[in-house]
Amino acid sequence: AQSVTQLDSQVPVFEEAPVELRCNYSSSVSVYLFWYVQYPNQGLQLLLKYLSGSTLVKGINGFEAEFNKSQTSFHLRKPSVHISDTAEYFCAVSVTGGFKTIFGAGTRLFVKA
Amino acid sequence: NAGVTQTPKFRVLKTGQSMTLLCAQDMNHEYMYWYRQDPGMGLRLIHYSVGEGTTAKGEVPDGYNVSRLKKQNFLLGLESAAPSQTSVYFCASSTSGFTEAFFGQGTRLTVV
Repeated sequence: AQSVTQLDSQVPVFEEAPVELRCNYSSSVSVYLFWYVQYPNQGLQLLLKYLSGSTLVKGINGFEAEFNKSQTSFHLRKPSVHISDTAEYFCAVSVTGGFKTIFGAGTRLFVKA
Repeated sequence: NAGVTQTPKFRVLKTGQSMTLLCAQDMNHEYMYWYRQDPGMGLRLIHYSVGEGTTAKGEVPDGYNVSRLKKQNFLLGLESAAPSQTSVYFCASSTSGFTEAFFGQGTRLTVV
């Protein structure tokens, strides 16, 4: 069975600084990987996804993530964050032919002025 | 295009009461899911459905029942609410089990 570990529960960062949110996964078969964002009092929305092809994936709002198969990681990065990026971010994994997506525990990003 | 709609958005229940949460999607998705979100635990899958008339248990199914009588609707029932079921509940839908999921806005349930 697949699993997801988000290595940081909270990440405080100053505005315009770079940020990396870390995600590791485990699976015995090929995976699809996702990052979702949840703004306060809202549902989750897709930030980006890796299905196949280029290991560097670009998403909305200037975020990108890199799939590293050897390290079983899918870290999320942004070169310069804004106050509006304050939210909770979830890494998720599913497998080919699978019935469900497994979510990590979430990383709360605080962007400070 | 409404996407995924959950009703109600907020609810307070007394211990032992029952209720049903309704999820409706207008994207013709086959798969639908119910998750609960608790602080520090991310989203945990309660039940899911791979098509009309089907349901299956997720990670934390105890105390909940579901039904998918119509493709666009997925109902989550609490038969006898307990304080441990205080949580935020999210419904989601997708075209398959390994593609992007679309989420509703959530239902905040408090059991006192």
